[in-house]
Amino acid sequence: SYVLTQPPSVSVAPGKTARITCGGNNIRSKTVHWYQQKPGQAPVLVIHYDSDRPSGIPERFSGSNSGNTATLTISRVEAGDEADYYCQVWDSSSDHWVFGGGTKLTVL
Amino acid sequence: EVQLVESGGDLVQPGGSLRLSCAASGFTFRSYWMSWVRQAPGKGLEWVANIKRDGSEKYYVDSVKGRFTISRDNAKNSLYLQMNSLRAEDTGVYFCARAESFGSGSDFWGQGTLVTVSS
Repeated sequence: SYVLTQPPSVSVAPGKTARITCGGNNIRSKTVHWYQQKPGQAPVLVIHYDSDRPSGIPERFSGSNSGNTATLTISRVEAGDEADYYCQVWDSSSDHWVFGGGTKLTVL
Repeated sequence: EVQLVESGGDLVQPGGSLRLSCAASGFTFRSYWMSWVRQAPGKGLEWVANIKRDGSEKYYVDSVKGRFTISRDNAKNSLYLQMNSLRAEDTGVYFCARAESFGSGSDFWGQGTLVTVSS
C-alpha cells in the first residue's frame, strides 16, 4: 500500500517561513491535498490539487509537488497557524485514500 | 450554510455494533462523494470509507472491510456507517466529510462523533 511520510514536528519563529514535507514514491504522479487541524476541531482543507488554495485560505499558504516530495509552505507564519498538518492522496492502484502521519507545527 | 452533523457515537463492548449517521444541509448532497475518516485518541487521521454520489461505488480501508458498511440516503441528505464486530482499535472520533470527486480533497468536514470500544 502507498505510504506518505511526514516529519512529526516543525518549529518556526513568527514571521518566518515554515515548510512541511510529505514524502511518497513518485508522489509527483499523484494529486496532493493538505489539511490543517487545530486541537478539538475538524480538519480544514488548506491546499488542494497540489497547489490550489480553497476560498478563504490566506495567500500565505502554498503548495508544490515534485519528484518524491510534496511541500506545504506557510509564509509569514502567525501564532494562529500552530496546528497539525496532514497531507492526503488518492492511491489509484488500490482506490484508497491515504493520509500522512501528520506534522505538528509549533510557532516559537 | 454548509453543515455536516454526525451522531450515533457511543461506548460499546468489543464485538458489538454501532450505526453512525451524518446529516447534511446547505448544499446539494447528491452531488458529492462522501467519506468517513477517523482519528484515534492522540493519533493522526485515518481514512475509513468513501461512497459515490449515487451510492453505486463504495471503498474501504482494509482494516474495516467486511465489518463496516457505508451507505447514504440522498432523499434524506444523510450518510451512514454501520459498524459491526467492533474492536478496541476502532476507538476514535469519526468524521464525515464531502468531496467533489474521489480524487479531490474533502472541502468540508463535520465536527465528529466519538466511538469508544471497551469492556
